[in-house]
Amino acid sequence: ELKVEQNPLFLSMQEGKNYTIYCNYSTTSDRLYWYRQDPGKSLESLFVLLSNGAVKQEGRLMASLDTKARLSTLHITAAVHDLSATYFCAVDTANFNKFYFGSGTKLNVKP
Amino acid sequence: DVKVTQSSRYLVKRTGEKVFLECVQDMDHENMFWYRQDPGLGLRLIYFSYDVKMKEKGDIPEGYSVSREKKERFSLILESASTNQTSMYLCASSPPQLRRPFPYEQYFGPGTRLTVT
Repeated sequence: ELKVEQNPLFLSMQEGKNYTIYCNYSTTSDRLYWYRQDPGKSLESLFVLLSNGAVKQEGRLMASLDTKARLSTLHITAAVHDLSATYFCAVDTANFNKFYFGSGTKLNVKP
Repeated sequence: DVKVTQSSRYLVKRTGEKVFLECVQDMDHENMFWYRQDPGLGLRLIYFSYDVKMKEKGDIPEGYSVSREKKERFSLILESASTNQTSMYLCASSPPQLRRPFPYEQYFGPGTRLTVT
């Protein structure tokens, strides 16, 4: 069974600080996705990573993928309160686009 | 923009009732998915469908069934609701791999928070 593990599960940080969320997965895949979920809302796509070494950046968030290590990271630079949300990674399988999601990382950025 | 809509945002049902959750997408996507989301467990796939009238079990299909009579609509059915089915239910859609434009992600609806009492 494919496993996707995120850590940490909870992250409380001060504004202006940097931090990294890790996503490890247990099978070979070269497609990984990051989503954001605000409280009471649905999932919003952040990044799509489609090959080894892929790096995407949007504002204060940067995502990367190392398929050999089966690891993706979501790096937060100079956090601001607006980034407070839950972040999920998901791994794509070749089976009809079936995704496996991590448990999510709940990020709280304190002013 | 892809739009995925779900019939209700909040639903309260009694134990033993038959419950229908509806999902509609407007992007002509072949793949549609139903997930449930529970704290600490992430999203777990209940069922998915890759074409009209086709369905595949996900990781937690017990107690659920689905219906896909039209391409744009995917229904999740709780035959006899139980309290352990209280959860947030999320529907998603995506185009098939061979036809997919870039990027490849699944698009999610707003979710239905179901409470079974």
